[in-house]
Amino acid sequence: DAKTTQPNSMESNEEEPVHLPCNHSTISGTDYIHWYRQLPSQGPEYVIHGLTSNVNNRMASLAIAEDRKSSTLILHRATLRDAAVYYCILMNRDDKIIFGKGTRLHILP
Amino acid sequence: GAGVSQTPSNKVTEKGKYVELRCDPISGHTALYWYRQSLGQGPEFLIYFQGTGAADDSGLPNDRFFAVRPEGSVSTLKIQRTERGDSAVYLCASSRLRGVRAFFGQGTRLTVV
Repeated sequence: DAKTTQPNSMESNEEEPVHLPCNHSTISGTDYIHWYRQLPSQGPEYVIHGLTSNVNNRMASLAIAEDRKSSTLILHRATLRDAAVYYCILMNRDDKIIFGKGTRLHILP
Repeated sequence: GAGVSQTPSNKVTEKGKYVELRCDPISGHTALYWYRQSLGQGPEFLIYFQGTGAADDSGLPNDRFFAVRPEGSVSTLKIQRTERGDSAVYLCASSRLRGVRAFFGQGTRLTVV
């Protein structure tokens, strides 16, 4: 399975944008970039995924570098409810989800 | 139901006992996964079902762990001769197909005393 590298933790102020980085220098051409997050005492939940182009949905945006060796999850306006562990995961079609340690995001009121 | 349901939400058992953890996936989802999560760690893959068959059980730690999905819907994770090291949150997830967006349950917190 391809590996991703994320910072252990990050802090952000409430109502400000948050940029969560992920490095995946060994990504293959068929790997999709998925992001999940896990709120305290809950199971992980899907956030967003992409292959080559930037993606937007109601939760977040995903910016993918042109060489695909890194990506950034963008929360446009963080709230206290966004405090969670965010996992960046590479997956082929027909792959299982392999979690790393993720980034623990702290939101300051 | 609307989401993945796991029962019980909490289970305390004595060392050496047998436990069963149940997962009700989203209706129509053919792929079902089990994960185990220890405190401060990301979820660790245990086993994957496609329909009724275990397509990938490479994450099961030893032969005390077994899982079934006899009718391609509900799955049961079975742990024999539990040990204190088995204490963790056991998560179940389902998806329409493997490799696409997965939906997770709230987990079963297993404590072996």
